[in-house]
Amino acid sequence: NAGVMQNPRHLVRRRGQEARLRCSPMKGHSHVYWYRQLPEEGLKFMVYLQKENIIDESGMPKERFSAEFPKEGPSILRIQQVVRGDSAAYFCASSPPGGRGYEQYFGPGTRLTVT
Amino acid sequence: DQQVKQNSPSLSVQEGRISILNCDYTNSMFDYFLWYKKYPAEGPTFLISISSIKDKNEDGRFTVFLNKSAKHLSLHIVPSQPGDSAVYFCAAMEKGGSEKLVFGKGTKLTVNP
Repeated sequence: NAGVMQNPRHLVRRRGQEARLRCSPMKGHSHVYWYRQLPEEGLKFMVYLQKENIIDESGMPKERFSAEFPKEGPSILRIQQVVRGDSAAYFCASSPPGGRGYEQYFGPGTRLTVT
Repeated sequence: DQQVKQNSPSLSVQEGRISILNCDYTNSMFDYFLWYKKYPAEGPTFLISISSIKDKNEDGRFTVFLNKSAKHLSLHIVPSQPGDSAVYFCAAMEKGGSEKLVFGKGTKLTVNP
């Protein structure tokens, strides 16, 4: 059973460009979470999605950031007009339906560098 | 405002000895606590968890203790092995809230052979 997959693993963008990060949850999982880790910090929650629904986006910056989890395909975290402060590791996690998401299984992360 | 605090950035122990990692929290609405282990350039791996209705949970070499009155939990690893060297994150989830995890900043454990 493949784990949570994220791509790309590394992404370099110039200031002002768009970054698209993809996450494929574990087979059978319908809940997806995105977290961001800045250097020397813990992971910070960004958004929680179920298929075609945003459940909690309380951790998402108000501007430039958006997330989706379509009926078909991976979840996408989109960052428009990136700035240097967006440089971080972005982790996706998934959990199965029916539970409270207690055990979230994490992907390997996408390391975004903004130059 | 950090709701989950891991006050020791690093810990070094000898192989075979006990490792004790500590975590404090401030939000009394947290009802589920988890420990994750993370190697460099990888995602966090779930290790062990505990519900607020328990005070201890054990899984092999790993035991988590919860002291609700002190809002404190700890992870014990016995015996410690060099492969346990990693960053350990404490995380918590709020009762009745969204399924988001609130993480501490992590403790880097080094187990010396």
